Amino acid sequence: DTAVSQTPKYLVTQMGNDKSIKCEQNLGHDTMYWYKQDSKKFLKIMFSYNNKELIINETVPNRFSPKSPDKAHLNLHINSLELGDSAVYFCASSQGQGWGEQYFGPGTRLTVT
Amino acid sequence: GQQVMQIPQYQHVQEGEDFTTYCNSSTTLSNIQWYKQRPGGHPVFLIQLVKSGEVKKQKRLTFQFGEAKKNSSLHITATQTTDVGTYFCAGRDDRGSTLGRLYFGRGTQLTVWP
Repeated sequence: DTAVSQTPKYLVTQMGNDKSIKCEQNLGHDTMYWYKQDSKKFLKIMFSYNNKELIINETVPNRFSPKSPDKAHLNLHINSLELGDSAVYFCASSQGQGWGEQYFGPGTRLTVT
Repeated sequence: GQQVMQIPQYQHVQEGEDFTTYCNSSTTLSNIQWYKQRPGGHPVFLIQLVKSGEVKKQKRLTFQFGEAKKNSSLHITATQTTDVGTYFCAGRDDRGSTLGRLYFGRGTQLTVWP
């Protein structure tokens, strides 16, 4: 019974391709997030949705587009992939309006060649 | 803007030694959370501190929140190899900034030599 799941776990692709990462949570949480973790372990927030509404939109290239079809799902689509997009992408969720602990998914390791 | 600074970035200790990581914020925090990420894993919530001067313990781990709610620390007594990982602090701005926004420190990567 995985609380926050992501697919795929690994993604290897070439520069210029378009790819999507999917996230689902079965915790009944209202808030979901996307984080990017670089090789130095720095966790950078990218986006956050509360009840399908975008509430955090950090300065990321507009090649990244999140989509929340319902409050249990938050997907991330990336256009025209670049080498610098290589990282681990974590989805997370939290209860209510996001004031409590965050539950992270297992991560998607994206490698752009 | 809001920043949470965390030091040290790396710490190598012999098993049995103590370990401490520190977080400092440029502004007052409403609360601070701590997470642990094992190598190859994902961040896992450890604890949340809310009150000024609060101290909480979890077995060998002691968490503190400063009186001014601008700093926090995590202390591990007598480290074990199972403590290996990266420890993150994450704080919320007391000014009620963006809903759900946590400001993560850069993390401290702990290595424990047996």
